Amino acid sequence: SQTIHQWPATLVQPVGSPLSLECTVEGTSNPNLYWYRQAAGRGLQLLFYSVGIGQISSEVPQNLSASRPQDRQFILSSKKLLLSDSGFYLCAWSYSGSYEQYFGPGTRLTVT
Amino acid sequence: AQSVTQPDIHITVSEGASLELRCNYSYGATPYLFWYVQSPGQGLQLLLKYFSGDTLVQGIKGFEAEFKRSQSSFNLRKPSVHWSDAAEYFCAVGSGFNKFYFGSGTKLNVKP
Repeated sequence: SQTIHQWPATLVQPVGSPLSLECTVEGTSNPNLYWYRQAAGRGLQLLFYSVGIGQISSEVPQNLSASRPQDRQFILSSKKLLLSDSGFYLCAWSYSGSYEQYFGPGTRLTVT
Repeated sequence: AQSVTQPDIHITVSEGASLELRCNYSYGATPYLFWYVQSPGQGLQLLLKYFSGDTLVQGIKGFEAEFKRSQSSFNLRKPSVHWSDAAEYFCAVGSGFNKFYFGSGTKLNVKP
């Protein structure tokens, strides 16, 4: 069966520090991968998606970037965090060509 | 542009009572519609989906939803709510294989 992992589960970082969140998927090959952000009391905003290694599409201009160095690994990064980057970050995957997405447990990021 | 509206931010129902959560979407073509549930601090779990065919779809945990094209709605229902159903519920529309648009969510409280 397929599983999706995210780490860390929680993170507290000062403003201006770098960020690296990792997401990995097991049990499938060539998945589509997604990063979402959920701000407090708000819905989910799609940040990035990837259909293959090295292929990243950005949905919203921002202080963040994404990379996919391996087929089942998706990384969300920032060089300098802003207070507004605080939120709950969710990674998701889907089969290539499918609309149905499966979500990871999320990372709670607090920027202080 | 695609969008999803969940007009109810909070809903409180008594345990054993029926439930209906509203979702309206804006999409030019045939929509792919989803309902997800999120427990506090957790990722999202897919409850049900509509792609085509029968407009009444059954999901997990006793939930169902009805697609009404004329009303651009995809409301979620459950005949008898359990205390464990307390969570936040998100409606989403798929736009192309790599894009999801989520509503802002409805928080469900269940009174004993």
